[in-house]
Amino acid sequence: QSVLTQPPSVSGAPGQRVTISCTGSRSNIGAGYGVHWYQQLPGTAPKLLIYGNTNRPSGVPDRFSGSKSGTSASLAITGLQAEDEADYYCQSNDNSLSVFYVFGTGTKVTVL
Amino acid sequence: EVQLLESGGGLVQPGGSLGLSCAASGFTFSTYAMSWVRQAPGKGLEWVSAISSSGERTYYADSVRGRFTISRDNSKNTLYLQMNSLRAEDTAVFYCAKLGKVATRDAFDIWGQGTVVTVSS
Repeated sequence: QSVLTQPPSVSGAPGQRVTISCTGSRSNIGAGYGVHWYQQLPGTAPKLLIYGNTNRPSGVPDRFSGSKSGTSASLAITGLQAEDEADYYCQSNDNSLSVFYVFGTGTKVTVL
Repeated sequence: EVQLLESGGGLVQPGGSLGLSCAASGFTFSTYAMSWVRQAPGKGLEWVSAISSSGERTYYADSVRGRFTISRDNSKNTLYLQMNSLRAEDTAVFYCAKLGKVATRDAFDIWGQGTVVTVSS
């Protein structure tokens, strides 16, 4: 029941820059809610990567950056490293009656 | 160290019930909203339920409303999820997650390691 759409996969060589899009609607991202991003390494729990559209928690490398515009948001990874290979999810609130928080469909990042 | 530790997962038959617990430590549990998020095998994350810091307000996804009940005991620093009328499609890893405040409001800033729930005959 994801209502935030992400590309299933993106890939890049070490050192390259990749971006992941997160497309929502007027009931979630477009309503002004913050967008947050999570990294899920294989076999582990998700970890907060970006909060409030653009902010990094302590300990997250500045290679990761977020942005938001209208009903969409993006996560950029610059200087791609092997340890960045993981699944990435965006998340926001939603003001519809059926759900309070919504996640993106998820994107698998592969380091070539 | 801030930590969330889930327990209570297991194998249950369709139509059965199961109760999950999440023990919190390393932060003032009673001042934070909490939530459950699940992940079906090979699938993405799905928000399930949330509860306010006092426990007075609860929220559910349509997929579980009327079958699942979230609660908390602030004296025991523990979050609960009672799951009834379980279906095969409820099979998932269930994560307990702490919701942030102020700058991290509405972000899940701390996650437990997850507990596996399998609904099968």
